[in-house]
Amino acid sequence: SSELTQDPAVSVALGQTVRITCQGDSLRSYDANWYQQKPGQAPILVIYSKNIRPSGIPDRFSGSSSGNTASLTITGAQAEDEADYYCNCRDSSGNHFVFGTGTKVTVL
Amino acid sequence: QVQLVQSGAEVKKSGSSVKVSCKASGGTFSSYTISWVRQAPGQGLEWMGRILPILGTVNYLQKFQGRVTITADKSTSTAYMELRSLRSDDTAVYYCARDGALSSDAFDIWGQGTMVTVSS
Repeated sequence: SSELTQDPAVSVALGQTVRITCQGDSLRSYDANWYQQKPGQAPILVIYSKNIRPSGIPDRFSGSSSGNTASLTITGAQAEDEADYYCNCRDSSGNHFVFGTGTKVTVL
Repeated sequence: QVQLVQSGAEVKKSGSSVKVSCKASGGTFSSYTISWVRQAPGQGLEWMGRILPILGTVNYLQKFQGRVTITADKSTSTAYMELRSLRSDDTAVYYCARDGALSSDAFDIWGQGTMVTVSS
């Protein structure tokens, strides 16, 4: 299967840590990337190649992976981190791409 | 810094076609892949296909094969996505996105999105 499954929603208290997971068989072969999307805006890349932050992304965002599961961790969540988060990688064929089902993060 | 600027919102009738453009400015266009990703209202992201402008090679998701055509004009640094035989469930925001610039498959730059509304 080339599906990537995420929990629909998680909440985190301001300043606390939250981990978002992404599961799928493709993750055994391909690195995960993570995107943040706020309402009415295009997605923004926050982690690529499993655990690398693009320039300008705060270091409270980190990524990891093990087996068929990739994770995005926000350490010390801020109000501005409230958004939808999507994982993605190549599908099992290697020729196409697939996105996770998305996780809505609410900062309390 | 490269920016991707997309064409404006479209309203189309069922059965018709739409062609969305994505113009790159501020950097190299041809060397990287441009993908098209759509998002139906309240739904997640769905990858549709991609093109490598320098070679013109394309790759489509099976779901859209035969109904979508992605092209690129290197002279104007513009990519295009045409979707035919539109249905109501094609109503979505369509994004172009660049990948390959970070030595990875990640989509590092996105267009602002184009809303396509299909009405009967």
